Amino acid sequence: DVKVTQSSRYLVKRTGEKVFLECVQDMDHENMFWYRQDPGLGLRLIYFSYDVKMKEKGDIPEGYSVSREKKERFSLILESASTNQTSMYLCASRGVHYEQYFGPGTRLTVT
Amino acid sequence: QKEVEQNSGPLSVPEGAIASLNCTYSDRGSQSFFWYRQYSGKSPELIMSIYSNGDKEDGRFTAQLNKASQYVSLLIRDSQPSDSATYLCAQTGRRALTFGSGTRLQVQP
Repeated sequence: DVKVTQSSRYLVKRTGEKVFLECVQDMDHENMFWYRQDPGLGLRLIYFSYDVKMKEKGDIPEGYSVSREKKERFSLILESASTNQTSMYLCASRGVHYEQYFGPGTRLTVT
Repeated sequence: QKEVEQNSGPLSVPEGAIASLNCTYSDRGSQSFFWYRQYSGKSPELIMSIYSNGDKEDGRFTAQLNKASQYVSLLIRDSQPSDSATYLCAQTGRRALTFGSGTRLQVQP
């Protein structure tokens, strides 16, 4: 079974803090993704990576950056957290048939 | 126009009935389609994938794809209260999967 893990289930940070969200997958997948999910807005793609050190912006990259130093790990960085980044953050990796497997999610609250 | 459209619901069905969830899409080039189930507060879980026209059955779930009409559907037979969740339809897109906003299903005991 594919396993995607995320570093925290719940996180509370203050405005202006730097926030790291980490995601690890154990299936040697090349493609990994970060989404945020908000009520009424659905899943929105923030960034994705198609190989180590390779990344591409998604639909809403502003205020975020990513890092992929190892194939199994994909990190999302909020350089200076703001209250409008309060959301559920979901990491996913892609299988050979383009299906995506999601991690459990991190519910981030920025106060 | 949204690329993947779903009725937000809620769709309410009695226990034991067939739940029918529908999805239309605009990208004719998409080859692969997926259904995810998402319980409240949890992450989406892949339950069905379908790649060619017709029906695909897996247990109580049947996915149906009609590329000419650009719709995908999910049938859940013998619906159980534990099936109450939001169901997301997705298609392959240029960069990642494109998701619908989901249909909330309520199965009444």
